Amino acid sequence: QQQVKQSPQSLIVQKGGISIINCAYENTAFDYFPWYQQFPGKGPALLIAIRPDVSEKKEGRFTISFNKSAKQFSLHIMDSQPGDSATYFCAATFDNYGQNFVFGPGTRLSVLP
Amino acid sequence: DTEVTQTPKHLVMGMTNKKSLKCEQHMGHRAMYWYKQKAKKPPELMFVYSYEKLSINESVPSRFSPECPNSSLLNLHLHALQPEDSALYLCASSQESGVNYGYTFGSGTRLTVV
Repeated sequence: QQQVKQSPQSLIVQKGGISIINCAYENTAFDYFPWYQQFPGKGPALLIAIRPDVSEKKEGRFTISFNKSAKQFSLHIMDSQPGDSATYFCAATFDNYGQNFVFGPGTRLSVLP
Repeated sequence: DTEVTQTPKHLVMGMTNKKSLKCEQHMGHRAMYWYKQKAKKPPELMFVYSYEKLSINESVPSRFSPECPNSSLLNLHLHALQPEDSALYLCASSQESGVNYGYTFGSGTRLTVV
């Protein structure tokens, strides 16, 4: 119930292409779905987040699509750049607190120049 | 200030050493966390402090000892660690109540135990 699944495990995209990472969850109590971007040796940084009352959120080249009925959400990176090469973690939480914050296993994105 | 600051950034310690990791935030967050992250894995929760009190200990070995001196500071004291404890140690914070905005993470301390 607390698990968040994420795919693919790794992704290679050409510069200028679209990167798509998918996540799925089971616990319908989750009410906040953030995506974190992590560069090697650095901590995860909040990239973009969505709440379940919205089906899509866009910030610059990054878009979250959210399907509440399917319990799925995805990250789209438009015009992918080599600087986007990082590990991306989706997450889900239903409060601000501890054990109720669940990470997906991560996707390693490589954008080729 | 919207950052979580961790020091040191890198630490190499022997198995008999005692060292401490430090974390600081000035966002008024009342929940603070220690996570451990191994390569190619998501962060794993170790400890949760809520209003300066330890509320969750995820069965972490006693060689890791957390401390929360005040609402802005969080320490992790290390003693008699094993090589398998080598990892990236992350501090995070969040609002303990109210609207959920997720966590803010620090950049981490890269710990190597030799």
